[in-house]
Amino acid sequence: SQKIEQNSEALNIQEGKTATLTCNYTNYSPAYLQWYRQDPGRGPVFLLLIRENEKEKRKERLKVTFDTTLKQSLFHITASQPADSATYLCALAPRGFAGKSTFGDGTTLTVKP
Amino acid sequence: DVKVTQSSRYLVKRTGEKVFLECVQDMDHENMFWYRQDPGLGLRLIYFSYDVKMKEKGDIPEGYSVSREKKERFSLILESASTNQTSMYLCASSPTSGGKYEQYFGPGTRLTVT
Repeated sequence: SQKIEQNSEALNIQEGKTATLTCNYTNYSPAYLQWYRQDPGRGPVFLLLIRENEKEKRKERLKVTFDTTLKQSLFHITASQPADSATYLCALAPRGFAGKSTFGDGTTLTVKP
Repeated sequence: DVKVTQSSRYLVKRTGEKVFLECVQDMDHENMFWYRQDPGLGLRLIYFSYDVKMKEKGDIPEGYSVSREKKERFSLILESASTNQTSMYLCASSPTSGGKYEQYFGPGTRLTVT
């Protein structure tokens, strides 16, 4: 069955450093991979989408890579700030109906001042 | 900006009650989704709809039904609420066309069944 694993439930880093979150998947060939941010008690907010034929995508301080051979996506936040503290979810969507995504459990990032 | 609203932020119901959770989106999106989110289990898809009056079961449809009579509105119905349906319920919508497949989520409804 499909499985999505996000690295360790919690990640703590110092302000100013780069945070790197990992999303690994098995038994799946997604066409699209998305990253979302979720704050406590709120719904997830979309951050970035990367397609299977794209290696890397950037948006401001965010960078996502997608390696379909390794079946892995890395999500980087550079120059991290305490305001980046949140849970980050990766989601995979198949070809054909890209609206239907499967979500990972998330990694909770804490950026300490 | 896309806005997805849910009828209640917090809801307390008794076992056996019929519960309606409503979701409205204002961006004319074709797809709408209902998830529940529980600690340690992540986001799990209950039902989704890709058009008015169309629906498909997600991963955990048991004990739930849905209704989509208008494009902007997607309702989740718990026919007879049980304590194991205590959870955070999240509605989302997404477009089909234009290469934009990201989902837009509502604020969530925290349902407690006693």
